[in-house]
Amino acid sequence: QKEVEQDPGPLSVPEGAIVSLNCTYSNSAFQYFMWYRQYSRKGPELLMYTYSSGNKEDGRFTAQVDKSSKYISLFIRDSQPSDSATYLCAGATFGNEKLTFGTGTRLTIIP
Amino acid sequence: DADVTQTPRNRITKTGKRIMLECSQTKGHDRMYWYRQDPGLGLRLIYYSFDVKDINKGEISDGYSVSRQAQAKFSLSLESAIPNQTALYFCATSRGRTGELFFGEGSRLTVL
Repeated sequence: QKEVEQDPGPLSVPEGAIVSLNCTYSNSAFQYFMWYRQYSRKGPELLMYTYSSGNKEDGRFTAQVDKSSKYISLFIRDSQPSDSATYLCAGATFGNEKLTFGTGTRLTIIP
Repeated sequence: DADVTQTPRNRITKTGKRIMLECSQTKGHDRMYWYRQDPGLGLRLIYYSFDVKDINKGEISDGYSVSRQAQAKFSLSLESAIPNQTALYFCATSRGRTGELFFGEGSRLTVL
């Protein structure tokens, strides 16, 4: 079993819709979580970072962590065509700093 | 100019050839990493280095070696390339305990 599981998609939604991207993890030692966005032919870039259960909001993006169920989510409100990318979730432990990535979900926003 | 630069961006080679992928960074970060990305498998860590004298194996280091020539330079070598090393390779840096990785734009390697 992979430590971080993520539905690879692809996921297509109309512009303006709310997008929900999800990951589960099995390593109870994970203490912080990240979401990276990767555009085609580019390297991943950090989108959201959170280390506690609950929600963290940044503009149209909300990261949610539920450590009791080992579930992490990224919500995108008012989705735009520019949000079309692959989204990668990742977990890590403090003192280790080696991220374990999910496989990524490919998202397309249809104008 | 990119903060993390990888060369070459694309390379096609034959089985058994030695290949080197190079990475240089201007971010001033101590920590550097090499990942490979494969469809359905995501990003997997090959090697990482927390400073010039520190080299560590990641989860898939077999068949690879690295050299940290300077704080800003980290090279990945495939001594004898094989077809299942065909992948997209990423170099990344980090400042330290924040865990935020800064990636290069990737090197696409095809081994025939």
